[in-house]
Amino acid sequence: DVQLVESGGGLVQPGGSLRLSCAASGFTFSDCGMNWVRQAPGKGLEWLSYIAITGTTIFYTDSVKGRFTISRDNAKNSLYLQMNNLRDEDTAVYYCARDPDCGGNSGWFDPWGQGTLVTVS
Amino acid sequence: DIQMTQSPSSVSASVGDRVTITCRASQGIDNYLAWYQQKPGKAPKLLIYGASSLQSGVPSRFSGRGSGTNFTLTISSLQPEDFATYFCQQANSFPLTFGGGTKVDIK
Repeated sequence: DVQLVESGGGLVQPGGSLRLSCAASGFTFSDCGMNWVRQAPGKGLEWLSYIAITGTTIFYTDSVKGRFTISRDNAKNSLYLQMNNLRDEDTAVYYCARDPDCGGNSGWFDPWGQGTLVTVS
Repeated sequence: DIQMTQSPSSVSASVGDRVTITCRASQGIDNYLAWYQQKPGKAPKLLIYGASSLQSGVPSRFSGRGSGTNFTLTISSLQPEDFATYFCQQANSFPLTFGGGTKVDIK
């Protein structure tokens, strides 16, 4: 089964840092683009960042540009999100999600991990 | 950035009802639109991609239509497991953006 498992969430003070991880299994991780998406409590979904298969193509949404860094380690089948200078408004459940068009870039998300909660307070 | 506007924000319906949710893009996105279902405490699930293609394993009572700026998701006969929140998402250009969501609850 294709599976994504996030870890690394927790409570952090404003201005602090946190590194999220996403462990992938059940598919050839190095063939697929990956994304981070978040959801603030009781709110909608916000796409944060995309990284292509080799890590050379990366996109961010403006709200996290300069503070968050996406990366991947294909040898470890892992995706990361380094989050610096965290703000109250970064409190959310953070999901990693695969681009299902492995080898391409569809822009969809499937599957999603179960999410990890980050609380900035 | 492309803004995605969903309507209604919530709808109350009964089992067996036909439910249609609308999503409008602030500029043309061809058919680069997906729909997701999210249940409380769970991750979203891809239902429809390419505006009208049903994701594998998704029941055929779900269907999507549209192109350009106007899109719809229809549930032809609502089932108990369909009570959830639905989101549209454009994949035409970065930053990828979502609609605000439509909550389908029990009348």
